[in-house]
Amino acid sequence: RKEVEQDPGPFNVPEGATVAFNCTYSNSASQSFFWYRQDCRKEPKLLMSVYSSGNEDGRFTAQLNRASQYISLLIRDSKLSDSATYLCVVTPPGGSYIPTFGRGTSLIVHP
Amino acid sequence: SQTIHQWPATLVQPVGSPLSLECTVEGTSNPNLYWYRQAAGRGLQLLFYSVGIGQISSEVPQNLSASRPQDRQFILSSKKLLLSDSGFYLCAWSVAGDQPQHFGDGTRLSIL
Repeated sequence: RKEVEQDPGPFNVPEGATVAFNCTYSNSASQSFFWYRQDCRKEPKLLMSVYSSGNEDGRFTAQLNRASQYISLLIRDSKLSDSATYLCVVTPPGGSYIPTFGRGTSLIVHP
Repeated sequence: SQTIHQWPATLVQPVGSPLSLECTVEGTSNPNLYWYRQAAGRGLQLLFYSVGIGQISSEVPQNLSASRPQDRQFILSSKKLLLSDSGFYLCAWSVAGDQPQHFGDGTRLSIL
């Protein structure tokens, strides 16, 4: 099992749709989790951190399921501008400085 | 606020030529610094990271090297570029290992 796995997609959805991505991780003791957004030929940008209690930022909701070892990202009311690749990041325990990036899930929002 | 600068934005180099990419961070002290490479259509590959001046850890053995001559400066180098070195090179910083990373704009390197 890979350390961090994501469905590469693409997820092709119409504007206004709700879409959800999952990201599974193999190390049960992983301690920090993040979602990044990467536009084509650009650098990844932090979208949101994922807390144990879950967190919401506008149309975006991130959740952590430690029992099943996955994090999720829910996007409501999709906009054309949400089209991008979404990367999940997992940081191992023990103060390691090496976060693991997933390969990303591609989202295409169409009119 | 903290900012990260990475240059150049694009670079075209012949095979066998040397390379030097520079990254600087402003607005923070003793950041963790990282160099990544992303091949076209692929995920991020961690090349080097540093937790302090002169401290470099290599993740992937290859013909690249990194140096951190100052607290907020991180340099990626090569003495002789290979065709396989083409890619999108990204520098990133974080305040600690369990905190999110923030990326520079990246350098798109093409080897001819």
